[in-house]
Amino acid sequence: SQQGEEDPQALSIQEGENATMNCSYKTSINNLQWYRQNSGRGLVHLILIRSNEREKHSGRLRVTLDTSKKSSSLLITASRAADTASYFCATGGASGYSTLTFGKGTMLLVSP
Amino acid sequence: DGGITQSPKYLFRKEGQNVTLSCEQNLNHDAMYWYRQDPGQGLRLIYYSQIVNDFQKGDIAEGYSVSREKKESFPLTVTSAQKNPTAFYLCASSISGVETQYFGPGTRLLVL
Repeated sequence: SQQGEEDPQALSIQEGENATMNCSYKTSINNLQWYRQNSGRGLVHLILIRSNEREKHSGRLRVTLDTSKKSSSLLITASRAADTASYFCATGGASGYSTLTFGKGTMLLVSP
Repeated sequence: DGGITQSPKYLFRKEGQNVTLSCEQNLNHDAMYWYRQDPGQGLRLIYYSQIVNDFQKGDIAEGYSVSREKKESFPLTVTSAQKNPTAFYLCASSISGVETQYFGPGTRLLVL
């Protein structure tokens, strides 16, 4: 399976700093998505980037995709305490009917 | 309000008992999914359904069963054959397999 692997596993920063998380995957993809999960809750979709896109922005989020390196990064600028959560990347396969495959996530702690 | 609901929030299972987790969506999505999440881990796919009256096994289907009699509903039964059922169960839906998934709030299953 084309499981995404996030790096780092955990990240601790101060409010106002930027947070960068990375995701690597193994096979061809249709798209790559990032989700956020607050403790004990369901996942919330943040952003989707398709295989023919290189960069995408949404508010304080910036996602890049490098298909030659099979990697993506999520940048959260000017972090807030409310950004504290786990962040997961998910890849959608390029061939046939495919479901999303989720990585194990990066746990982000933003301290006031 | 469109969305996905899961019930109950907490569920307790006794040895040898089958329990059913409910998942309902009013987003008019064709595809629905069940995931299992263990502490500090990513999501693992149990079953998915692309359309009514059809479903496929995911990566960890053993000890679980599902039905899809209505577009809106995709209940998951954790059978007595599942020897380690304690986990957080998440239901999701999407337009199709690789597009954005919308998650319910989750059900936490505990064994008495």
